[in-house]
Amino acid sequence: ELKVEQNPLFLSMQEGKNYTIYCNYSTTSDRLYWYRQDPGKSLESLFVLLSNGAVKQEGRLMASLDTKARLSTLHITAAVHDLSATYFCAGQRDAGGTSYGKLTFGQGTILTVHP
Amino acid sequence: DVKVTQSSRYLVKRTGEKVFLECVQDMDHENMFWYRQDPGLGLRLIYFSYDVKMKEKGDIPEGYSVSREKKERFSLILESASTNQTSMYLCASSFEAGGDSYEQYFGPGTRLTVT
Repeated sequence: ELKVEQNPLFLSMQEGKNYTIYCNYSTTSDRLYWYRQDPGKSLESLFVLLSNGAVKQEGRLMASLDTKARLSTLHITAAVHDLSATYFCAGQRDAGGTSYGKLTFGQGTILTVHP
Repeated sequence: DVKVTQSSRYLVKRTGEKVFLECVQDMDHENMFWYRQDPGLGLRLIYFSYDVKMKEKGDIPEGYSVSREKKERFSLILESASTNQTSMYLCASSFEAGGDSYEQYFGPGTRLTVT
């Protein structure tokens, strides 16, 4: 059974600083997703990581995947207030098989960026 | 753009009532999912469906049932609502095909309060 754990669960940052959110998972995961959720809103897909060493970047966010360590990271560079949101990672096993692409989510990291 | 809609954004029901939450997607996706989201627990899978009239239990199916009579529509049913089912409910859909197509697209969510 795939289990996914994120840390930290709460992150208070100052604008302009860098920080990393960690996502550990317990067993082989075919794909690793990062989602963003604004208060009262639904989930918005940020990144899909498919293979070991994958790195994707969008603006001030960069996600990476290390399948050997079973670890994905979401790195925030020079944070701005607009990045305040809840960030989830989610693992997906055997997407083409009988799991039908089920996602297992981490607990979420609530990020608050202060001026 | 993929669109996943849910019948209500907010719902207040009494204990013991039968509750229907409806989800519709417009992208001809084979797979549809129901999650509940609770603070500190992330999203947890209740049920999913990989074809019309086909369904499988997720991680927390107790107290819920589902119905998929048409490909585009997936309903979550609370047979007798209880206060511990107060939560945010999110519907998602995805393709069955390979490659990147297993990505799930989420609806706006229904915040259900059971009093």
